[in-house]
Amino acid sequence: GAGVSQSPSNKVTEKGKDVELRCDPISGHTALYWYRQSLGQGLEFLIYFQGNSAPDKSGLPSDRFSAERTGGSVSTLTIQRTQQEDSAVYLCASSLEIGEAFFGQGTRLTVV
Amino acid sequence: GNSVTQMEGPVTLSEEAFLTINCTYTATGYPSLFWYVQYPGEGLQLLLKATKADDKGSNKGFEATYRKETTSFHLEKGSVQVSDSAVYFCALSDQSYGNNRLAFGKGNQVVVIP
Repeated sequence: GAGVSQSPSNKVTEKGKDVELRCDPISGHTALYWYRQSLGQGLEFLIYFQGNSAPDKSGLPSDRFSAERTGGSVSTLTIQRTQQEDSAVYLCASSLEIGEAFFGQGTRLTVV
Repeated sequence: GNSVTQMEGPVTLSEEAFLTINCTYTATGYPSLFWYVQYPGEGLQLLLKATKADDKGSNKGFEATYRKETTSFHLEKGSVQVSDSAVYFCALSDQSYGNNRLAFGKGNQVVVIP
């Protein structure tokens, strides 16, 4: 499709397990963002990629969180040793122009 | 650092009423400002934008003016419809320091009653 694609759409995992969330941005978009959306908390910035490099990782909440982007395209967000407070909707967006980000539908992560 | 503040709480109003959602910002450079909207069951999408002071962004009957003197970008619509029920997010992007990060406000739930 032409939009930003995220997978899986839903993920239920046990506390302590690792999870990988995937984002396929719009073809040709150089910038890619990860955000976390929790109820009543708005959008929390996690990390931003320009090409394959991440000039801003300041939003990653702990060292259990990491992300990479390969070939200037697909990105993976990995959460190790998940905790219940990691439960949220994880949103990916990509953009070509400043700020005009196109969002995916998100991955709803539930840690039980 | 850069940040966006939106008024607290959901907004409930009747169809054809006037809508205002306040947004103020703090930025170290010269940001671009945006409103994003999230309709029920859908992903976030760009509603409108303004890239410099005194610019007015508009779309679908919504307007917002970039006010540098008051560091504000309030969203307005003269006559809302039930279909405008959604969550609205104010955002800014400041590339002055080579960082294209989009900073979002907490969002406002808008409910329009027939």
